[in-house]
Amino acid sequence: SQQGEEDPQALSIQEGENATMNCSYKTSINNLQWYRQNSGRGLVHLILIRSNEREKHSGRLRVTLDTSKKSSSLLITASRAADTASYFCATVLPAGANSKLTFGKGITLSVRP
Amino acid sequence: DVKVTQSSRYLVKRTGEKVFLECVQDMDHENMFWYRQDPGLGLRLIYFSYDVKMKEKGDIPEGYSVSREKKERFSLILESASTNQTSMYLCASSFLALAETYEQYFGPGTRLTVT
Repeated sequence: SQQGEEDPQALSIQEGENATMNCSYKTSINNLQWYRQNSGRGLVHLILIRSNEREKHSGRLRVTLDTSKKSSSLLITASRAADTASYFCATVLPAGANSKLTFGKGITLSVRP
Repeated sequence: DVKVTQSSRYLVKRTGEKVFLECVQDMDHENMFWYRQDPGLGLRLIYFSYDVKMKEKGDIPEGYSVSREKKERFSLILESASTNQTSMYLCASSFLALAETYEQYFGPGTRLTVT
């Protein structure tokens, strides 16, 4: 299956610490996307990284992509209690245009005040 | 800002009832999607649509149908609800691109309970 697999399944850190979440996948991709979901709500897109990119930044978020290892990581720096949420990676096949997103099962991040 | 709205946040239906879940987006997106989300299983795609009156099956279409009569509206229909369709249902939309797949914008979700 193309489904991304996130690691760890759950992460608990203290406010101010950095949080690192990983995603691995099985086959070549066009792009990889990270989403956040607050409890009981819809998903919110965080960042998209293309297969020819290695790193992207957005505010306190840093995403890396290693296509040789078929893995991506999401780093949240200086975490806040409001970052408590589930985080999902989603992969897109190389067919490119209008391919489906395949989501992983998610990582539960808890940031303790 | 993109806004995707869903007709209900919570819904309780009885087994065998016909259930309609509606989704509306206001950004003129061509693509619309319906997912269900279950603990331990993540998000699974039920159906999607690239254009008005067009639909494509996702990974788990059994027991569901969809309707897209207008570009902004995508409905999910449970013809005869069953208890195993108790779930969180998420609608999403995105732009249609020729060379890339863009990010999706999600609605707040409908938590459906079938008793």
